[in-house]
Amino acid sequence: GQNIDQPTEMTATEGAIVQINCTYQTSGFNGLFWYQQHAGEAPTFLSYNVLDGLEEKGRFSSFLSRSKGYSYLLLKELQMKDSASYLCAVKGAGGFKTIFGAGTRLFVKA
Amino acid sequence: EAGVTQFPSHSVIEKGQTVTLRCDPISGHDNLYWYRRVMGKEIKFLLHFVKESKQDESGMPNNRFLAERTGGTYSTLKVQPAELEDSGVYFCASTDFANTGELFFGEGSRLTVL
Repeated sequence: GQNIDQPTEMTATEGAIVQINCTYQTSGFNGLFWYQQHAGEAPTFLSYNVLDGLEEKGRFSSFLSRSKGYSYLLLKELQMKDSASYLCAVKGAGGFKTIFGAGTRLFVKA
Repeated sequence: EAGVTQFPSHSVIEKGQTVTLRCDPISGHDNLYWYRRVMGKEIKFLLHFVKESKQDESGMPNNRFLAERTGGTYSTLKVQPAELEDSGVYFCASTDFANTGELFFGEGSRLTVL
């Protein structure tokens, strides 16, 4: 079967660092994505990893370990506007279909 | 450049009625996807078009759902007859490269079946 697991909710303080973990089991692997979704809005692309290692983009970084079926999204210098759902998604076999986890709701408090 | 647009943003219908959702992808994107999010659950894949052809419709729940993409531009998703469990947010997404490109999502069509 195909499964993507991530924590349901997390809370962090403004200015802090938070790490959102994602583990996956899919039929084949053609890349892992992180998307951000604010309530009532469209999911928007944050990052893409296809090789092992860390990809850094400003305050956001994403890490992938294909052998462990594991990824994390690291958010630094948290801001109130970072309060949102963060969706881990994997492109499986064939590379055409993206499968999503249920998302992690992040609450940033002052 | 216009993003992915969906219509209507919200639809409330009674069980047994028909609803048609529309998606206009980003111009030039051959790949169009429909997803659905039921309350508290993950965004689930419904189907994938490449131009006007259905590449993968393995996620369509049953034959009450019909998706079309005539001419390879906009797409429609019709639910007929609607059931209570069809309530949710239907997202459309498009991309130029199916293999590696990120998905560009519309804001979704929220369907409530009473």
